[in-house]
Amino acid sequence: ELKVEQNPLFLSMQEGKNYTIYCNYSTTSDRLYWYRQDPGKSLESLFVLLSNGAVKQEGRLMASLDTKARLSTLHITAAVHDLSATYFCAVDYKGGADGLTFGKGTHLIIQP
Amino acid sequence: DTGVSQNPRHKITKRGQNVTFRCDPISEHNRLYWYRQTLGQGPEFLTYFQNEAQLEKSRLLSDRFSAERPKGSFSTLEIQRTEQGDSAMYLCASSLLGDGGEKLFFGSGTQLSVL
Repeated sequence: ELKVEQNPLFLSMQEGKNYTIYCNYSTTSDRLYWYRQDPGKSLESLFVLLSNGAVKQEGRLMASLDTKARLSTLHITAAVHDLSATYFCAVDYKGGADGLTFGKGTHLIIQP
Repeated sequence: DTGVSQNPRHKITKRGQNVTFRCDPISEHNRLYWYRQTLGQGPEFLTYFQNEAQLEKSRLLSDRFSAERPKGSFSTLEIQRTEQGDSAMYLCASSLLGDGGEKLFFGSGTQLSVL
């Protein structure tokens, strides 16, 4: 069974702090995606990681992919309240067939 | 508006009734996906189309569920004889098959409540 596991599932942190969300997956893949979801809203694509060692940054968020370890990380630098949301990682195993397999999400609350 | 559009946004129905949802993808996208999301969980893949062909169906998609994409444009998802366990957010996403990875663009979803 294909598994995508995120941790932590819940995270409360203060503004200005740094933190990392981890995404482990069980089957070889070199395509990993990060999405953000605000309450009651749909998913917004953040990063597409397509190869081992890929690193992408956008503002205070940086994502990386280690396909050998089957691990992706989403690092938050100097968190601000606006980054409060649920973050999902998703893995593509079949080039789109079967769609993406999502983790359960990390619910992030950033307190002033 | 060039995003993925879903209708209706909310649907409340009684158990046993049939419901149909519509998704209009981004016009140049050839792939269209349906996902289901329940509270506190990530989206779960249901089915996808490449153009008008339905290429894959999840085992989650029981015989009561049917999806179509006539002419490779909009898609409909029908649930027959709804059950309370069908209550969820149904998300549609589209993408353009290419070499740059498969970035999915999601619609706002249809929230189904089965009473």
